[in-house]
Amino acid sequence: DTAVSQTPKYLVTQMGNDKSIKCEQNLGHDTMYWYKQDSKKFLKIMFSYNNKELIINETVPNRFSPKSPDKAHLNLHINSLELGDSAVYFCASSQSRPEDTQYFGPGTRLTVL
Amino acid sequence: GEDVEQSLFLSVREGDSSVINCTYTDSSSTYLYWYKQEPGAGLQLLTYIFSNMDMKQDQRLTVLLNKKDKHLSLRIADTQTGDSAIYFCAEMGQAGTALIFGKGTTLSVSS
Repeated sequence: DTAVSQTPKYLVTQMGNDKSIKCEQNLGHDTMYWYKQDSKKFLKIMFSYNNKELIINETVPNRFSPKSPDKAHLNLHINSLELGDSAVYFCASSQSRPEDTQYFGPGTRLTVL
Repeated sequence: GEDVEQSLFLSVREGDSSVINCTYTDSSSTYLYWYKQEPGAGLQLLTYIFSNMDMKQDQRLTVLLNKKDKHLSLRIADTQTGDSAIYFCAEMGQAGTALIFGKGTTLSVSS
């Protein structure tokens, strides 16, 4: 029973392309997140959605656009991919309270050539 | 601003205790967390501590919190080779629900 799943697990693409990463959670959580982990393993929040509404949007290029069709899904669309976008992208989910545990997906390794 | 600092590497022998240290800057943080990331895998929550606690023990794991110094530590007793991973300290950011992570401590356990 996968709690937070992401597809694809690996994504290799050329500079300039547009790609999407999908995330789904079956935990009934209200809040979903996208984090980026760079090549040095540094993890940083990108976006947070609560009940399909954007509540955190850190300083990321507007080429990145999250889309939440429903509470269980938060997809990440990236336009005009650049070399620096290469990273591992983690989706996570939790209930709304700060003390609620965030559960992470397995990650999507994006490589831009 | 919010910042979480950790040493980057720790090397121990199997059977020894490991202590991973972390400092944070946001004194209003109510929860502090330790996550583990094995190679090629996602993040797994190990444990967390509420800011009004000094210590929390969970089997081989002991978390110590010094709120005055904003210092958090994770002690792993009887460290095993399977404990080799990156350990991330995290605090809840002021934005509400996003986690602010440290840079991670790579724990290497030799037999």
